[in-house]
Amino acid sequence: SAVISQKPSRDICQRGTSLTIQCQVDSQVTMMFWYRQQPGQSLTLIATANQGSEATYESGFVIDKFPISRPNLTFSTLTVSNMSPEDSSIYLCSVERRTGSRYNEQFFGPGTRLTVL
Amino acid sequence: QKEVEQDPGPLSVPEGAIVSLNCTYSNSAFQYFMWYRQYSRKGPELLMYTYSSGNKEDGRFTAQVDKSSKYISLFIRDSQPSDSATYLCAMSESYNQGGKLIFGQGTELSVKP
Repeated sequence: SAVISQKPSRDICQRGTSLTIQCQVDSQVTMMFWYRQQPGQSLTLIATANQGSEATYESGFVIDKFPISRPNLTFSTLTVSNMSPEDSSIYLCSVERRTGSRYNEQFFGPGTRLTVL
Repeated sequence: QKEVEQDPGPLSVPEGAIVSLNCTYSNSAFQYFMWYRQYSRKGPELLMYTYSSGNKEDGRFTAQVDKSSKYISLFIRDSQPSDSATYLCAMSESYNQGGKLIFGQGTELSVKP
């Protein structure tokens, strides 16, 4: 398995400000992922964070809004920039590990619950 | 149309009941099918995964995949209050997912003692 921690666990922010979320993994991983879980919506992949290269963003998500850093193989940050109430959501990081002969399992952190006023 | 559809519930059952949770999907390229359980204030954790069509059993949990109908199910036998959580189905085209998991909305389940 993988032990993943996130900081902060929750925050309430004002419109127009930015928040940086940290994700720490207990051992080195190649890829880390950032998801968004909006109320009543599916868990949606924002981007993949690779160490030593720029993050890869999914359709509908842009670097200016969600800049990501990946300084080493156990740590990543996601910044939610110029926030609006529509950014209120749970943000989760995850990592992928081989757990079966033909399967890579994804493990999720506990999430950061963000409320934007 | 969403790629994966899941009835969000909420679903409330008495302890000991059999629970059936379902998802439908549209992408015929999906090969791996997962069920995640998410307790309140926690991240999702993998319950079971199935490759292609068929059934898989793990204790009180049974996962079924019918690729011809693009329909997957999770059955929980002898449900317990500790099973109360949100259940998310997820799918991918390959085992080396690279993060490309497509999730359903999640079904909130409550098992009453």
